[in-house]
Amino acid sequence: KQEVTQIPAALSVPEGENLVLNCSFTDSAIYNLQWFRQDPGKGLTSLLLIQSSQREQTSGRLNASLDKSSGRSTLYIAASQPGDSATYLCAPETGNQFYFGTGTSLTVIP
Amino acid sequence: DADVTQTPRNRITKTGKRIMLECSQTKGHDRMYWYRQDPGLGLRLIYYSFDVKDINKGEISDGYSVSRQAQAKFSLSLESAIPNQTALYFCATSDWDHPYEQFFGPGTRLTVL
Repeated sequence: KQEVTQIPAALSVPEGENLVLNCSFTDSAIYNLQWFRQDPGKGLTSLLLIQSSQREQTSGRLNASLDKSSGRSTLYIAASQPGDSATYLCAPETGNQFYFGTGTSLTVIP
Repeated sequence: DADVTQTPRNRITKTGKRIMLECSQTKGHDRMYWYRQDPGLGLRLIYYSFDVKDINKGEISDGYSVSRQAQAKFSLSLESAIPNQTALYFCATSDWDHPYEQFFGPGTRLTVL
């Protein structure tokens, strides 16, 4: 069974800082890995999808990397803004099933 | 209008009651999923369906059943609700040619007293 760990569980940074969120998973035989954002009381919004053949994906201020062999993915957020405050979840896909981490709760202080 | 909708958004019920949560989608996707989210445990897959005639158990299917009434509708039932089924429930969809990209509904908060 895939186990997903996200570190740190919570993070508070001043506006403008660059930051890195970490995700590790136990089964490296994944097909894809997806990063999501969850706002309080709302569903998940997909941010970035990295296919197993890729090493990174970028969207605006977000960059996600994937190292399958070591079971790690990172989400880099550049020049953080208060609107980035949310919980960030990573989800590797194994055998048609996604396994979610418990997330990193990010607060960006104006 | 939202692409993936869930009803109800909030529900409080008592132990032993039968509950149905409904999910509808207008994205035209063939794959649909039900997850529950608990504090400290992340999202866990309950059931998934790749088309109307295909139903599969996920990681935590015990105590739940599902029905895929049409391509656009996937309902989750709790035949006899118990307090440890109190959670936030999410429906999600994906398309066969991009199965790894999931789109989520807004969630249903269920409380079982």
